[in-house]
Amino acid sequence: AQSVTQLGSHVSVSEGALVLLRCNYSSSVPPYLFWYVQYPNQGLQLLLKYTTGATLVKGINGFEAEFKKSETSFHLTKPSAHMSDAAEYFCAVSAPYGGSQGNLIFGKGTKLSVKP
Amino acid sequence: ETGVTQTPRHLVMGMTNKKSLKCEQHLGHNAMYWYKQSAKKPLELMFVYNFKEQTENNSVPSRFSPECPNSSHLFLHLHTLQPEDSALYLCASSLGTGNSPLHFGNGTRLTVT
Repeated sequence: AQSVTQLGSHVSVSEGALVLLRCNYSSSVPPYLFWYVQYPNQGLQLLLKYTTGATLVKGINGFEAEFKKSETSFHLTKPSAHMSDAAEYFCAVSAPYGGSQGNLIFGKGTKLSVKP
Repeated sequence: ETGVTQTPRHLVMGMTNKKSLKCEQHLGHNAMYWYKQSAKKPLELMFVYNFKEQTENNSVPSRFSPECPNSSHLFLHLHTLQPEDSALYLCASSLGTGNSPLHFGNGTRLTVT
């Protein structure tokens, strides 16, 4: 079985400050990991994903995440926050094979606020 | 334009009503999903269809009935719902492999009165 834990339901940063959103996962097989963003009244949009290969993954809007197997983590970062980054962010895990491959299990989400 | 279109965007229904949510994707994907998003809870996977065949029913009450007539269309038929069923219902599609991301629609905001 797989699960995702996002530490902090709400994170607030100042514009220009570092953004760090935490995600830890549990998986019995090597996981595929994803970060999604949700703006108000919209669906979820893919930010980035890790499947295999390089553990540092770059995504859209200047975000990146690093897969750390030893820490079972996949934290999302951005060097400098922008007002337009205010949204809710979801970490998700899926199995790479088997009957449940492709079925994403999501964390509870972290709402990011950006102060001017 | 997300490639996945959901209608209606908003729906208010009484507990005795019957209504349907519709989802359509133009991405050539093989798998389609229904997720439920409630406040302060993780997104809950409800149903999965792969090549029109249901491959997952995540212990969803029978008052929710999915239908997938082809790989491009997915419906969620609703009847005798409860107020706690009020939520945002998100449809998604993908290629159905482990590393293929889900593409989401903008959701239907359902309110049960």
